[in-house]
Amino acid sequence: KQEVTQIPAALSVPEGENLVLNCSFTDSAIYNLQWFRQDPGKGLTSLLLIQSSQREQTSGRLNASLDKSSGRSTLYIAASQPGDSATYLCAVRCFTGGGNKLTFGTGTQLKVEL
Amino acid sequence: ETGVTQTPRHLVMGMTNKKSLKCEQHLGHNAMYWYKQSAKKPLELMFVYSLEERVENNSVPSRFSPECPNSSHLFLHLHTLQPEDSALYLCASSQDGRDEQFFGPGTRLTVL
Repeated sequence: KQEVTQIPAALSVPEGENLVLNCSFTDSAIYNLQWFRQDPGKGLTSLLLIQSSQREQTSGRLNASLDKSSGRSTLYIAASQPGDSATYLCAVRCFTGGGNKLTFGTGTQLKVEL
Repeated sequence: ETGVTQTPRHLVMGMTNKKSLKCEQHLGHNAMYWYKQSAKKPLELMFVYSLEERVENNSVPSRFSPECPNSSHLFLHLHTLQPEDSALYLCASSQDGRDEQFFGPGTRLTVL
């Protein structure tokens, strides 16, 4: 059974700092990995999707890496801003039956302070 | 309307009530999903529909009954719920079973 762990559970940093969020998964037989952002009481916004054959993806100040063999992914946020404050969720996609299944971690709650 | 919408956004119901959650996607996708998000727990996949056919039921109690009348609409019918069913229920859609999923804003459900 796939399990996804995110460390740290919570993080508070001053504005402008570069930071790294970690995600690990137990079964390396994944199709792809997706990073999401969730604001309090809201739905999920997809940030980056990395296919299993890729090593990294970049979007603006965000860079996500994937090391499938070791079961790890990192989300790097450059020059953090207060607007980056949210919960960041990592999810891996595995095949199951006729559909696909996203297994989520519990998230990292990020607070960027002025 | 664009993206994935969900109604209602908030719902309070008693254990004997019957209610339904609605999800609509405007992205032309052919797969839709229901997830449950409880406090301090990872999102849990409940149901997957692909081309209007249920392809996964993740051991969900029968008091939750999904319905997918067409590729744009997904319902979750609720009856005889328990207080522990209180959670944020999220709907998502994707182009096919392997593709990136897009999420709606969720329905915050409270069962009294």
